[in-house]
Amino acid sequence: GQQVMQIPQYQHVQEGEDFTTYCNSSTTLSNIQWYKQRPGGHPVFLIQLVKSGEVKKQKRLTFQFGEAKKNSSLHITATQTTDVGTYFCAPYSSASKIIFGSGTRLSIRP
Amino acid sequence: EAQVTQNPRYLITVTGKKLTVTCSQNMNHEYMSWYRQDPGLGLRQIYYSMNVEVTDKGDVPEGYKVSRKEKRNFPLILESPSPNQTSLYFCASSLGTSGRARHWRETQYFGPGTRLLVL
Repeated sequence: GQQVMQIPQYQHVQEGEDFTTYCNSSTTLSNIQWYKQRPGGHPVFLIQLVKSGEVKKQKRLTFQFGEAKKNSSLHITATQTTDVGTYFCAPYSSASKIIFGSGTRLSIRP
Repeated sequence: EAQVTQNPRYLITVTGKKLTVTCSQNMNHEYMSWYRQDPGLGLRQIYYSMNVEVTDKGDVPEGYKVSRKEKRNFPLILESPSPNQTSLYFCASSLGTSGRARHWRETQYFGPGTRLLVL
């Protein structure tokens, strides 16, 4: 079955530093979604990537889908304390079953 | 306000005592799903439902049951809870995939979560 690896598991950065999380799949993906979960909260949808090599930006967040559509990344420029949380990738497995990566927990030193 | 609600939000119970966690959405979504979240394991799908009276197993269905008698409700039933079912549970819903372009997936909207402790 499909294997999804998300790295790193944890990242602790100084406020203002950049942050990147990676999602790697053993199979070619049709699309991938990214979610953010604040501490004590529930996952909230951020974005969906569909095309090979696609890059989308949301203010300081940059999402990328690999050319081979087997990996994806989320990069945050100049982190702020509001970025704290766990970021999950959710690769497309089938129209019904949903798979989530194990998540990357971001913590920030003010 | 469009939302997914879950009840209860917190529950402490004992091994073997049947319990039900309710989930309701007011967005007329076709697809509903249950996840459990455990440290280091991310979100794992328990059961999902494509529409009324249509349910199927996710990755970790053992020890759980679901039903979908109405479009808005998708309760999760633990007939005989065990300590390894202590977890944080999320219900989610989405519009569904009918009529959409191939490879497109609808956004999932999550409920606030139910924290369950089984003693």
